[in-house]
Amino acid sequence: EMQVEESGGGLVQPGRPLRLSCTTSGFTFGDYAMSWVRQAPGKGLEWVSLIRSKFYGGTTEYAASVKDRFTISRDDSKRIAYLQMNSLKSEDTAVYYCARKSAWGDAFDIWGQGTMVTVSS
Amino acid sequence: SSELTQDPAVSVALGQTVRITCQGDSLRNYYASWYRQKPGQAPILVIYGKNNRASGIPDRFSSSKSGNTASLTITGAQAEDEADYYCNSRDSSGDHPHLFGAGTKLTVL
Repeated sequence: EMQVEESGGGLVQPGRPLRLSCTTSGFTFGDYAMSWVRQAPGKGLEWVSLIRSKFYGGTTEYAASVKDRFTISRDDSKRIAYLQMNSLKSEDTAVYYCARKSAWGDAFDIWGQGTMVTVSS
Repeated sequence: SSELTQDPAVSVALGQTVRITCQGDSLRNYYASWYRQKPGQAPILVIYGKNNRASGIPDRFSSSKSGNTASLTITGAQAEDEADYYCNSRDSSGDHPHLFGAGTKLTVL
């Protein structure tokens, strides 16, 4: 069964860093782009970041709201994607989902259950 | 900035047909994907590309696109279809390479 599972969420003070991990199984991780999508409490989905496979250069993309503060990376040997979040703000409070980008088109076809990040003093 | 616009809420009688729409300039160049999210759960992919249903999605779900508007149609809505539905597309302009609509809450009466 193809799965992704997020971890690393928690309560963090404004301005502090936090790293999320996305552990995967059941598919050839290195063949796929991976993305992070977040959802603030009671709000809709917001795309955060994406990292392509090494075949496509491992290039990265970011939403304007997190660019220069968040860094996405991947370790294909461990089948894990990461989201390093620096200079956290209260508005970053959300459930963070890891999602696999489909091999066909731009859809996100496998999602984890999410990890909650709360930024508060 | 680029965005995808969805109606906040739509309702449908049990067994009837409902269309959920998504508007945005990016849809002139890209297909929308559609996701369903039930309370307390993660989103799941429903439709992607040119009317392709994700694994396990019943054939009462279909999609279409015209100009800058994408539509998700449920033909014969069931009680279990009640959920929030989000559209999503790539965007080659603006600050967000990938966009999500704000979501449509579907109520099945």
